[in-house]
Amino acid sequence: DAKTTQPTSMDCAEGRAANLPCNHSTISGNEYVYWYRQIHSQGPQYIIHGLKNNETNEMASLIITEDRKSSTLILPHATLRDTAVYYCIVRVVDDYKLSFGAGTTVTVRA
Amino acid sequence: IAGITQAPTSQILAAGRRMTLRCTQDMRHNAMYWYRQDLGLGLRLIHYSNTAGTTGKGEVPDGYSVSRANTDDFPLTLASAVPSQTSVYFCASSQEGTGNGYTFGSGTRLTVV
Repeated sequence: DAKTTQPTSMDCAEGRAANLPCNHSTISGNEYVYWYRQIHSQGPQYIIHGLKNNETNEMASLIITEDRKSSTLILPHATLRDTAVYYCIVRVVDDYKLSFGAGTTVTVRA
Repeated sequence: IAGITQAPTSQILAAGRRMTLRCTQDMRHNAMYWYRQDLGLGLRLIHYSNTAGTTGKGEVPDGYSVSRANTDDFPLTLASAVPSQTSVYFCASSQEGTGNGYTFGSGTRLTVV
């Protein structure tokens, strides 16, 4: 898997949008961008994924730059329950070795 | 609710003892995985299975074995536990070929003393 770079930590205010950046400058053409999060003491939770088009679901939006070298996960209205470690991962579909890096620790403050 | 069930939730185990961590999924996913998570080291893949009857080694397979006799179950066995196997263990599954994400269980916290 291509390497990703994320900020170590970030804070955001409750009710505001949280924008989580991820750099993946060596991404290959057949690699998708995946986002997961892990709330303290729980198993990781899948959020969203995309190849090159922007994606939105009930949890978040994923914006991928045209050159695919970076992406941003957007939590539109952050709540205290969104406090978690967020992982940005790039992988080829059917590559069984999903590799988690250190992620970004996001703290939502009231 | 469809998902993954892991058992036990937590366990204290004497070194040298044998232990099997259980994992069952009800989503009929073809692929299953075992990860361990340690502070400062993140999530590391132990073993995986891309379909019933086949298994593969991940990043840290030593000291662990798995089997995949059917689609739903993927037990992880520690033949002779050592203190370095103290960790939180997560089982996951996915339907490979769809691009969809993994579903993870709630984890088993194992302490080897």
